[in-house]
Amino acid sequence: QKEVEQNSGPLSVPEGAIASLNCTYSDRGSQSFFWYRQYSGKSPELIMSIYSNGDKEDGRFTAQLNKASQYVSLLIRDSQPSDSATYLCAGVFTGGGNKLTFGTGTQLKVEL
Amino acid sequence: DGGITQSPKYLFRKEGQNVTLSCEQNLNHDAMYWYRQDPGQGLRLIYYSQIVNDFQKGDIAEGYSVSREKKESFPLTVTSAQKNPTAFYLCASSGFGGNNQPQHFGDGTRLSIL
Repeated sequence: QKEVEQNSGPLSVPEGAIASLNCTYSDRGSQSFFWYRQYSGKSPELIMSIYSNGDKEDGRFTAQLNKASQYVSLLIRDSQPSDSATYLCAGVFTGGGNKLTFGTGTQLKVEL
Repeated sequence: DGGITQSPKYLFRKEGQNVTLSCEQNLNHDAMYWYRQDPGQGLRLIYYSQIVNDFQKGDIAEGYSVSREKKESFPLTVTSAQKNPTAFYLCASSGFGGNNQPQHFGDGTRLSIL
């Protein structure tokens, strides 16, 4: 069973701080990873994709992938109250076609 | 605008009744997916289809059925055999091109038992 693990939180950070969200996975043969943001009562929204080791930056968001250690992280710089949401980590694993395996999500709260 | 449309937004099912959730996309995506989300849990895959007239079971297919007669449409039927249908149902689609294609979601349908 391919698994993606996330701390459910809540993770509380003050406004303007860096929020660090982490995700570990069980399959070394994983291919691609995605971070989704889900506001309460809404559907997930794709915010970052990462396919190779290293960092990928997009605006205030940086995704980091370390395949040797089997973890993925998402950094949110200059956190805003509007970033308060649940962040879902998802991976595509070898032999799985394009099926995503989701973690249970980390709730982020950005406090004024 | 291109996107994924799910309907209805809210649906109520009576005991012993089958209900069908609609999912339509105009993104010209080949692959479509159905997920179920329960409170405090991640998304679990029900069924997926990578091409018209073909679909595969996901992790929790029991009590559900699908069809894929058109590229744009992937309806999900929740049958009376699904004893705990109350959940948030999400439809997604992606382009066909290997594992690097991200999935994009519709707005979801909330199903409850009357």
